[in-house]
Amino acid sequence: GAVVSQHPSWVICKSGTSVKIECRSLDFQATTMFWYRQFPKQSLMLMATSNEGSKATYEQGVEKDKFLINHASLTLSTLTVTSAHPEDSSFYICSAGLAGGDTGEQYFGPGTRLTVT
Amino acid sequence: GQNIDQPTEMTATEGAIVQINCTYQTSGFNGLFWYQQHAGEAPTFLSYNVLDGLEEKGRFSSFLSRSKGYSYLLLKELQMKDSASYLCAVMDSNYQLIWGAGTKLIIKP
Repeated sequence: GAVVSQHPSWVICKSGTSVKIECRSLDFQATTMFWYRQFPKQSLMLMATSNEGSKATYEQGVEKDKFLINHASLTLSTLTVTSAHPEDSSFYICSAGLAGGDTGEQYFGPGTRLTVT
Repeated sequence: GQNIDQPTEMTATEGAIVQINCTYQTSGFNGLFWYQQHAGEAPTFLSYNVLDGLEEKGRFSSFLSRSKGYSYLLLKELQMKDSASYLCAVMDSNYQLIWGAGTKLIIKP
């Protein structure tokens, strides 16, 4: 149980285009989903926390107009990287928290590798 | 299928040594990660192993045996702040991360 999927697994896009990444909890309801990015051999950096039906909370330094997050249902959150640039190339990972679970109980997706050319 | 196994919970005493094991079965292998996560916080990168052997970083060491599909994280001179969840993750041949469920480590005085 507690499986989280991401789509796509990897994507290559041209500079200036937008990319949407989906995060789904497959067998449980997730009231809270987290979006991270990771550069090679570095820690996961929390970008934002999204709660179903409300606006996402962004971490300091993360541009909310550039990284659009939508959490429209208890099983789906999307991250859209708008007007992507090469410096946005990274590994994006989502995690989902169980409804009613501990704040530390998160289940991680497999990640999406974004390459912007 | 792909899976990562690690113990759900472990308890150890302050000042002691603890070893957290991780076994994996994945489609290919492009490295194994260990993360530490305190409740309510983002995971913190601890180590990355891609070759067999022991990597030492201060109080923390990580070991990998690719032929056995096995890794362990060794924590020495345990401190109360080491109480956290420890996540094992393997990057497969498609560069996807396969996550273990995490081991909750409880440190007692």
